[in-house]
Amino acid sequence: GAVVSQHPSRVICKSGTSVKIECRSLDFQATTMFWYRQFPKQSLMLMATSNEGSKATYEQGVEKDKFLINHASLTLSTLTVTSAHPEDSSFYICSARGGEITEAFFGQGTRLTVV
Amino acid sequence: GENVEQHPSTLSVQEGDSAVIKCTYSDSASNYFPWYKQELGKRPQLIIDIRSNVGEKKDQRIAVTLNKTAKHFSLHITETQPEDSAVYFCAASFNDMRFGAGTRLTVKP
Repeated sequence: GAVVSQHPSRVICKSGTSVKIECRSLDFQATTMFWYRQFPKQSLMLMATSNEGSKATYEQGVEKDKFLINHASLTLSTLTVTSAHPEDSSFYICSARGGEITEAFFGQGTRLTVV
Repeated sequence: GENVEQHPSTLSVQEGDSAVIKCTYSDSASNYFPWYKQELGKRPQLIIDIRSNVGEKKDQRIAVTLNKTAKHFSLHITETQPEDSAVYFCAASFNDMRFGAGTRLTVKP
């Protein structure tokens, strides 16, 4: 299958700082990227859907000013958690697909801890 | 928006038995239904998918059925093996992709 690389895999930051997470499709053009948050032993909660060159569509309850998503190219999307707080600590995972009605490939996820 | 419900949340079977996981969705526009397997500490991996113009798809021990009228789809695993133990997620997709709550499958040797 196609490869999606997500970095960093782990990050610890201080409360009030910002953290950027990158999601790259290495061998295909990702027209759509999804960002999820996964709590321990729970499902993948969709945060936003991002189409290349367009503004991301955020899910209800997800603050767009806090979770900044950029999808400026067909191979890179970034999620920036701004002014992070301990409650933002979670596992964030991206997925990408190259067209409609096709498989989405997942990155390896980022474990964010805000102290 | 789309709402995907998945049952059961946990499933325990003996090796060699079959396992069935069921999902329902709410948005009739959804046209793609993948199933992912997630092992502990790893990323979800696609195991099978089905598009809305197909009623059933099979790949060796794994099969998926789709009933568009009732808006439900199911995963069937036959001849289960201990290595099938994992969390399984269904999803429904149109423009976005939303997941069910997951099923923790345990296959006892």
